[in-house]
Amino acid sequence: GGIITQTPKFLIGQEGQKLTLKCQQNFNHDTMYWYRQDSGKGLRLIYYSITENDLQKGDLSEGYDASREKKSSFSLTVTSAQKNEMAVFLCASSEWGEQYFGPGTRLTVL
Amino acid sequence: GEQVEQLPSSLIVQEGASVLINCSYTDSASVYFPWYKQEPGKRLQFIIDIRSNMERKQNQRLTLLFDKKTKHLSLHITATQPGDSAIYFCSASSPSGSWQLIFGSGTQLTVMP
Repeated sequence: GGIITQTPKFLIGQEGQKLTLKCQQNFNHDTMYWYRQDSGKGLRLIYYSITENDLQKGDLSEGYDASREKKSSFSLTVTSAQKNEMAVFLCASSEWGEQYFGPGTRLTVL
Repeated sequence: GEQVEQLPSSLIVQEGASVLINCSYTDSASVYFPWYKQEPGKRLQFIIDIRSNMERKQNQRLTLLFDKKTKHLSLHITATQPGDSAIYFCSASSPSGSWQLIFGSGTQLTVMP
């Protein structure tokens, strides 16, 4: 079986700061996703990538950049952290349909 | 785009009870509907799925019903245990958009011993 790892587990930033979250998978899946999870709102898609160097915007892409330089890794950048922002960012990968999720990165902006 | 509504937002039951979680979607192009469970501090875990060419799927104490005409799904959990306590998410996806999942807002299930 494979696994998805996310780093860091916790991320504390300052308002206006650029912050980068990383995700690695060893399933050898083509497609990877970044979701944001807010309490009471489920998960919302930020970016996804169907192959190396491909990027597709999700509904929540404004304020974020992403990078897929290798098949196994997918990075997400918060371009300018918003004061009092708190959310969990989840990375996932899939081949056909079923998605496998990482443990998440919890972001707090002071 | 696709929207997924999930109800109720929370459920509290006694151990041994059955529960029903309902989900509706808007996009008739959605063909795949996986459900996930998220226990406190743990990653999202796939629990059951159904495709649009099926009406019913069962996995042990989980039964998933699908009505294509009304765009409605129901997850039935029988003989609940405290270990079932978690947030349950329904989701919908289609091949257009590379199977990206559109999630419901989640149902917080608490099973009291």
